[in-house]
Amino acid sequence: SQTIHQWPATLVQPVGSPLSLECTVEGTSNPNLYWYRQAAGRGLQLLFYSVGIGQISSEVPQNLSASRPQDRQFILSSKKLLLSDSGFYLCAWRSDSFSGNTIYFGEGSWLTVV
Amino acid sequence: GNSVTQMEGPVTLSEEAFLTINCTYTATGYPSLFWYVQYPGEGLQLLLKATKADDKGSNKGFEATYRKETTSFHLEKGSVQVSDSAVYFCALSEHGSSNTGKLIFGQGTTLQVKP
Repeated sequence: SQTIHQWPATLVQPVGSPLSLECTVEGTSNPNLYWYRQAAGRGLQLLFYSVGIGQISSEVPQNLSASRPQDRQFILSSKKLLLSDSGFYLCAWRSDSFSGNTIYFGEGSWLTVV
Repeated sequence: GNSVTQMEGPVTLSEEAFLTINCTYTATGYPSLFWYVQYPGEGLQLLLKATKADDKGSNKGFEATYRKETTSFHLEKGSVQVSDSAVYFCALSEHGSSNTGKLIFGQGTTLQVKP
Protein backbone atom coordinates (compact mmCIF):
# COMPACT_ATOMS: atom_id res chain seq x y z
CA SER A 1 0.00 0.00 0.00
CA GLN A 2 1.01 3.60 -0.53
CA THR A 3 2.00 5.85 2.36
CA ILE A 4 3.15 9.42 2.70
CA HIS A 5 5.26 10.86 5.48
CA GLN A 6 6.29 14.38 6.21
CA TRP A 7 8.43 15.86 8.94
CA PRO A 8 8.94 17.56 11.23
CA ALA A 9 5.40 17.61 12.58
CA THR A 10 5.86 20.82 14.52
CA LEU A 11 8.51 23.51 14.52
CA VAL A 12 9.02 26.99 15.87
CA GLN A 13 11.52 29.09 13.97
CA PRO A 14 12.76 32.67 14.39
CA VAL A 15 12.29 35.23 11.64
CA GLY A 16 15.18 35.12 9.20
CA SER A 17 16.09 31.50 9.87
CA PRO A 18 16.08 28.80 7.16
CA LEU A 19 13.41 26.14 6.70
CA SER A 20 13.40 22.60 5.39
CA LEU A 21 10.29 20.40 5.38
CA GLU A 22 10.62 16.93 3.93
CA CYS A 23 8.09 14.58 2.44
CA THR A 24 8.46 11.06 1.13
CA VAL A 25 6.03 8.69 -0.53
CA GLU A 26 6.31 4.92 -0.42
CA GLY A 27 4.68 2.19 -2.43
CA THR A 28 4.37 4.00 -5.73
CA SER A 29 6.56 5.38 -8.49
CA ASN A 30 6.57 8.64 -10.42
CA PRO A 31 3.82 10.25 -8.34
CA ASN A 32 2.68 13.83 -8.76
CA LEU A 33 3.67 15.66 -5.59
CA TYR A 34 2.22 18.81 -4.05
CA TRP A 35 2.84 21.28 -1.24
CA TYR A 36 -0.17 23.09 0.20
CA ARG A 37 -0.36 25.70 2.94
CA GLN A 38 -3.25 26.31 5.26
CA ALA A 39 -3.07 29.61 7.07
CA ALA A 40 -4.98 29.97 10.33
CA GLY A 41 -8.73 30.09 9.72
CA ARG A 42 -8.35 29.89 5.97
CA GLY A 43 -8.57 27.34 3.20
CA LEU A 44 -5.78 25.50 1.46
CA GLN A 45 -3.50 27.16 -1.03
CA LEU A 46 -1.41 25.19 -3.51
CA LEU A 47 2.20 26.33 -3.32
CA PHE A 48 4.12 23.94 -5.57
CA TYR A 49 3.57 20.82 -7.58
CA SER A 50 5.90 18.42 -9.32
CA VAL A 51 5.25 15.86 -12.05
CA GLY A 52 8.76 14.40 -12.02
CA ILE A 53 12.30 14.61 -10.68
CA GLY A 54 13.65 18.14 -10.91
CA GLN A 55 10.35 19.47 -12.29
CA ILE A 56 8.82 22.12 -10.04
CA SER A 57 5.92 24.44 -10.77
CA SER A 58 5.21 27.36 -8.50
CA GLU A 59 1.66 28.51 -8.08
CA VAL A 60 2.17 31.72 -6.13
CA PRO A 61 5.11 34.10 -5.75
CA GLN A 62 6.52 33.79 -2.28
CA ASN A 63 9.42 33.37 0.03
CA LEU A 64 9.52 29.59 -0.36
CA SER A 65 11.04 27.14 -2.82
CA ALA A 66 10.61 23.43 -3.51
CA SER A 67 12.87 20.70 -4.82
CA ARG A 68 12.44 17.10 -5.88
CA PRO A 69 15.85 15.42 -5.73
CA GLN A 70 14.43 11.91 -5.94
CA ASP A 71 11.31 10.37 -7.45
CA ARG A 72 9.47 10.06 -4.13
CA GLN A 73 11.00 12.93 -2.17
CA PHE A 74 9.69 16.47 -2.08
CA ILE A 75 11.30 19.24 -0.04
CA LEU A 76 9.97 22.67 0.89
CA SER A 77 12.59 25.26 1.79
CA SER A 78 13.21 28.85 2.65
CA LYS A 79 16.45 30.74 3.12
CA LYS A 80 14.93 33.36 5.42
CA LEU A 81 11.56 32.87 7.05
CA LEU A 82 9.02 35.65 7.41
CA LEU A 83 6.27 35.93 10.00
CA SER A 84 3.73 35.44 7.22
CA ASP A 85 5.18 31.99 6.49
CA SER A 86 3.49 30.62 9.62
CA GLY A 87 0.87 28.02 8.90
CA PHE A 88 0.06 24.36 8.42
CA TYR A 89 1.95 22.80 5.52
CA LEU A 90 0.64 19.70 3.82
CA CYS A 91 2.43 17.44 1.40
CA ALA A 92 0.30 15.36 -0.94
CA TRP A 93 0.66 12.85 -3.74
CA ARG A 94 -1.34 11.48 -6.62
CA SER A 95 -1.00 8.50 -8.91
CA ASP A 96 -3.48 7.86 -11.68
CA SER A 97 -2.52 4.22 -11.75
CA PHE A 98 -3.71 3.49 -8.25
CA SER A 99 -5.99 6.19 -7.03
CA GLY A 100 -8.15 7.25 -9.96
CA ASN A 101 -7.21 10.90 -9.82
CA THR A 102 -7.38 11.11 -6.03
CA ILE A 103 -4.87 13.14 -4.04
CA TYR A 104 -3.74 11.85 -0.64
CA PHE A 105 -2.30 14.03 2.08
CA GLY A 106 0.38 13.63 4.70
CA GLU A 107 -0.08 14.41 8.35
CA GLY A 108 0.97 18.02 8.02
CA SER A 109 3.65 20.22 9.59
CA TRP A 110 2.84 23.12 11.87
CA LEU A 111 5.24 26.02 11.38
CA THR A 112 5.26 28.98 13.72
CA VAL A 113 7.61 31.81 12.86
CA VAL A 114 8.39 34.03 15.86
CA GLY B 1 -10.89 30.23 -13.63
CA ASN B 2 -12.01 27.20 -11.69
CA SER B 3 -13.34 27.76 -8.20
CA VAL B 4 -15.19 26.10 -5.33
CA THR B 5 -17.63 27.83 -3.00
CA GLN B 6 -18.75 26.32 0.29
CA MET B 7 -21.34 27.50 2.76
CA GLU B 8 -19.84 29.52 5.55
CA GLY B 9 -19.55 28.01 8.97
CA PRO B 10 -19.42 27.20 11.66
CA VAL B 11 -22.30 24.77 11.55
CA THR B 12 -23.48 23.68 14.98
CA LEU B 13 -25.80 20.69 15.28
CA SER B 14 -27.09 18.42 17.97
CA GLU B 15 -26.21 14.75 17.84
CA GLU B 16 -28.42 12.74 15.45
CA ALA B 17 -29.42 15.84 13.47
CA PHE B 18 -29.39 15.90 9.66
CA LEU B 19 -26.40 17.55 8.04
CA THR B 20 -26.09 19.40 4.76
CA ILE B 21 -23.01 21.35 3.73
CA ASN B 22 -23.47 23.10 0.43
CA CYS B 23 -20.77 23.15 -2.22
CA THR B 24 -20.94 24.65 -5.70
CA TYR B 25 -18.23 24.85 -8.29
CA THR B 26 -17.18 26.66 -11.43
CA ALA B 27 -15.10 24.69 -13.88
CA THR B 28 -14.37 24.18 -17.52
CA GLY B 29 -14.67 20.65 -18.74
CA TYR B 30 -15.58 17.81 -16.40
CA PRO B 31 -13.71 17.92 -13.11
CA SER B 32 -13.65 15.26 -10.43
CA LEU B 33 -15.19 16.36 -7.14
CA PHE B 34 -14.08 15.52 -3.62
CA TRP B 35 -14.89 15.99 0.01
CA TYR B 36 -12.02 15.96 2.47
CA VAL B 37 -12.27 16.05 6.26
CA GLN B 38 -9.77 17.52 8.69
CA TYR B 39 -10.03 16.50 12.32
CA PRO B 40 -8.51 18.86 14.90
CA GLY B 41 -4.72 19.01 14.64
CA GLU B 42 -4.54 16.52 11.78
CA GLY B 43 -4.01 16.47 8.03
CA LEU B 44 -6.70 16.00 5.42
CA GLN B 45 -8.39 12.69 4.81
CA LEU B 46 -10.37 11.82 1.73
CA LEU B 47 -14.00 11.35 2.72
CA LEU B 48 -15.61 10.64 -0.65
CA LYS B 49 -15.38 11.48 -4.31
CA ALA B 50 -17.27 11.45 -7.61
CA THR B 51 -15.70 11.49 -11.02
CA LYS B 52 -18.63 12.12 -13.37
CA ALA B 53 -22.10 13.60 -13.45
CA ASP B 54 -24.78 11.83 -11.39
CA ASP B 55 -22.17 9.77 -9.53
CA LYS B 56 -22.82 9.47 -5.81
CA GLY B 57 -19.88 9.23 -3.46
CA SER B 58 -20.47 7.74 -0.03
CA ASN B 59 -18.45 6.85 3.04
CA LYS B 60 -19.06 6.59 6.79
CA GLY B 61 -22.70 7.59 6.35
CA PHE B 62 -21.84 10.70 4.33
CA GLU B 63 -23.09 11.13 0.77
CA ALA B 64 -22.69 13.63 -2.04
CA THR B 65 -24.03 13.56 -5.60
CA TYR B 66 -22.27 15.17 -8.55
CA ARG B 67 -24.92 17.47 -10.07
CA LYS B 68 -23.73 18.93 -13.33
CA GLU B 69 -26.96 20.84 -14.03
CA THR B 70 -26.63 22.79 -10.78
CA THR B 71 -22.80 22.54 -10.56
CA SER B 72 -23.13 21.30 -7.01
CA PHE B 73 -21.73 18.58 -4.76
CA HIS B 74 -23.53 18.99 -1.45
CA LEU B 75 -22.44 16.84 1.48
CA GLU B 76 -25.18 15.14 3.53
CA LYS B 77 -25.44 12.83 6.50
CA GLY B 78 -28.64 11.60 8.02
CA SER B 79 -27.55 11.47 11.65
CA VAL B 80 -24.39 13.18 12.83
CA GLN B 81 -22.29 12.14 15.80
CA VAL B 82 -20.01 14.11 18.10
CA SER B 83 -17.07 12.38 16.42
CA ASP B 84 -18.03 14.03 13.11
CA SER B 85 -16.91 17.40 14.47
CA ALA B 86 -14.25 18.58 12.04
CA VAL B 87 -13.57 20.91 9.13
CA TYR B 88 -14.95 19.74 5.79
CA PHE B 89 -13.42 20.80 2.49
CA CYS B 90 -15.02 20.53 -0.92
CA ALA B 91 -12.54 20.35 -3.79
CA LEU B 92 -12.29 19.82 -7.51
CA SER B 93 -9.52 18.32 -9.54
CA GLU B 94 -8.69 20.12 -12.72
CA HIS B 95 -8.43 18.20 -15.95
CA GLY B 96 -6.36 19.37 -18.83
CA SER B 97 -3.61 18.51 -21.25
CA SER B 98 -1.01 18.61 -18.51
CA ASN B 99 -3.19 16.52 -16.21
CA THR B 100 -1.38 17.75 -13.16
CA GLY B 101 -4.36 16.88 -11.01
CA LYS B 102 -4.15 20.03 -8.92
CA LEU B 103 -6.91 20.37 -6.35
CA ILE B 104 -8.83 23.59 -5.90
CA PHE B 105 -10.39 23.82 -2.45
CA GLY B 106 -13.29 25.65 -0.97
CA GLN B 107 -12.69 27.63 2.20
CA GLY B 108 -13.79 24.80 4.46
CA THR B 109 -16.80 24.49 6.73
CA THR B 110 -16.40 23.83 10.42
CA LEU B 111 -18.91 21.40 11.88
CA GLN B 112 -19.46 21.19 15.59
CA VAL B 113 -21.75 18.47 16.91
CA LYS B 114 -22.98 18.80 20.48
CA PRO B 115 -24.15 15.84 22.56
